[in-house]
Amino acid sequence: DQQVKQNSPSLSVQEGRISILNCDYTNSMFDYFLWYKKYPAEGPTFLISISSIKDKNEDGRFTVFLNKSAKHLSLHIVPSQPGDSAVYFCAATLLDSGTYKYIFGTGTRLKVLA
Amino acid sequence: EAQVTQNPRYLITVTGKKLTVTCSQNMNHEYMSWYRQDPGLGLRQIYYSMNVEVTDKGDVPEGYKVSRKEKRNFPLILESPSPNQTSLYFCASSLMTYNEQFFGPGTRLTVL
Repeated sequence: DQQVKQNSPSLSVQEGRISILNCDYTNSMFDYFLWYKKYPAEGPTFLISISSIKDKNEDGRFTVFLNKSAKHLSLHIVPSQPGDSAVYFCAATLLDSGTYKYIFGTGTRLKVLA
Repeated sequence: EAQVTQNPRYLITVTGKKLTVTCSQNMNHEYMSWYRQDPGLGLRQIYYSMNVEVTDKGDVPEGYKVSRKEKRNFPLILESPSPNQTSLYFCASSLMTYNEQFFGPGTRLTVL
């Protein structure tokens, strides 16, 4: 059972426009949510995170929104740049029986068109 | 330079031949983890370790072993690899359990 879902496998956006990547989750006990970016032949790199007690976090061109009632988070990239083309993973952390687990979504491939 | 290193980067082996993928970090991180990435399934956690000599199963631990004898190293061991373990493997570390993780470059494993 996939607890963290990214329902859009791919997304194309024009350079300069907004990119919105979505993520849905099922477990209300998740306490941190994170976004990672992955280029081909490299490991994922951390982008931005948000605590479950907040509803927005911003870092430069990247903003993450958390809607706890809908169990939904989104990553906004404004303005989108060709270098943003990558696979984006959302992830959630969960304290389960005294230990932490990290659960990733399946990823969304973003293509920013010049 | 702060980094997570993995070796080897690429490995082709045959069913049943024991192998070890090494992972090392130089950031004095407490938490280390192994993931496999498969098409359509994203990243799935295999094992993790919250500190030296403390390891626990992730979502897909079957067929894998790990050890954490030193803080910086967290090797992944496949005692008897099978073709369904053909995958892209990533090691990661973080300062604390809920912090952002730093990932290694990945190891592409093919089991024939």
